[in-house]
Amino acid sequence: QTVVTQEPSLTVSPGGTVTLTCASSTGAVTSGYYPNWFQQKPGQAPRALIYSTSNKHSWTPARFSGSLLGGKAALTLSGVQPEDEAEYYCLLYYGGARVFGGGTKLTVL
Amino acid sequence: QVQLQESGPGLVKPSQTLSLTCTVSGGSISSGGYYWSWIRQHPGKGLEWIGYIYYSGSTYYNPSLKSRVTISVDTSKNQFSLKLSSVTAADTAVYYCAREVRSLNWFDPWGQGTLVTVSS
Repeated sequence: QTVVTQEPSLTVSPGGTVTLTCASSTGAVTSGYYPNWFQQKPGQAPRALIYSTSNKHSWTPARFSGSLLGGKAALTLSGVQPEDEAEYYCLLYYGGARVFGGGTKLTVL
Repeated sequence: QVQLQESGPGLVKPSQTLSLTCTVSGGSISSGGYYWSWIRQHPGKGLEWIGYIYYSGSTYYNPSLKSRVTISVDTSKNQFSLKLSSVTAADTAVYYCAREVRSLNWFDPWGQGTLVTVSS
């Protein structure tokens, strides 16, 4: 069974920069896995942030960026705001199947 | 803009079949170019992709749920549905429907989600 792994939790100071990663049990993540990133706040449905590695939606704040880093998909937040405190999920494509990572709880402190 | 809304029983007995419907408004499910998906989230846990259906009826399911899952589409009602058979307490979760854009590989919009509890 394919497993997608994210950091369980990260803490960042307001105004700081943090990188969340997304690894695949099958090996290096490439653009062919079409990495997606979602933000979820308590009691809300997930909201799409990034698709196909680095593409932003029209509503995605400029401080969010996606990339590939050391064989993983990465989401970088630059100039973190208090409202960025949330759970972040990555999603990878494995042919017809899609697999979510376990999520990273980002604390802004 | 397109909106999705889940509906169905909030309580299902063990061994029975969970049935949910997602109603699409603001756009046609038959317009093509989209996969119509189900995703769930166990209480306090992460997201789990369940599967998708294309308007033509073609489907793809999570291999771990494939033996129990059926996703169907009713283009006349602009709805798609999820059936999960032989449920146990482990199927208690918030169930979301979402639209996936095929050519761009993104998920948006999502429904608000509906909590289904499996309990006798």
